Amino acid sequence: AQSVTQLGSHVSVSEGALVLLRCNYSSSVPPYLFWYVQYPNQGLQLLLKYTSAATLVKGINGFEAEFKKSETSFHLTKPSAHMSDAAEYFCAVGSSSNSNSGYALNFGKGTSLLVTP
Amino acid sequence: DAGITQSPRHKVTETGTPVTLRCHQTENHRYMYWYRQDPGHGLRLIHYSYGVKDTDKGEVSDGYSVSRSKTEDFLLTLESATSSQTSVYFCAISDGSQTQYFGPGTRLLVL
Repeated sequence: AQSVTQLGSHVSVSEGALVLLRCNYSSSVPPYLFWYVQYPNQGLQLLLKYTSAATLVKGINGFEAEFKKSETSFHLTKPSAHMSDAAEYFCAVGSSSNSNSGYALNFGKGTSLLVTP
Repeated sequence: DAGITQSPRHKVTETGTPVTLRCHQTENHRYMYWYRQDPGHGLRLIHYSYGVKDTDKGEVSDGYSVSRSKTEDFLLTLESATSSQTSVYFCAISDGSQTQYFGPGTRLLVL
């Protein structure tokens, strides 16, 4: 079974500071890893995904994540936080181990990012 | 944005009543999923569908049933709503690639 753990349910950064949201995964098969963002009262929007093509993945809005197999991590970073980055961020893992489910995802519990002026 | 709509967007109901939530897609994707989102739990898979009339259970399926009679529609039914089913429900779709696209969600309050 695949699972992810997001370290820190709340993260606060100052505007312009580095954003680092942590995600560690557990998977017995090569994982597919995702970061989604959820703005208040909205659905989830895909930020980026890792599908084994490259370990450093660039996403939308200046975010990127690096897949580190040795550390079983897929941390999300952004060099300079904007006020508009305040949202809930979810890490998710999927695999094709169950062909009927497509790539059903297992989500972390989420990290709420607060950006202060 | 992927063409996914959910209805209703908000619903208040009473314990013991049946409730049906609808997910509609215009992308002709094969896979459809229902998740619930609760504080401190992230999103958890309730049921999924891998084709018309082909469905299976997810992690938290007790008290829920689903049906998919057409490619574009995936219905989630709470057979007898309970207060523990108060949640935000999200539908997602996938064409079988790794990526899922999510609908706007339905907020359900069971009194």
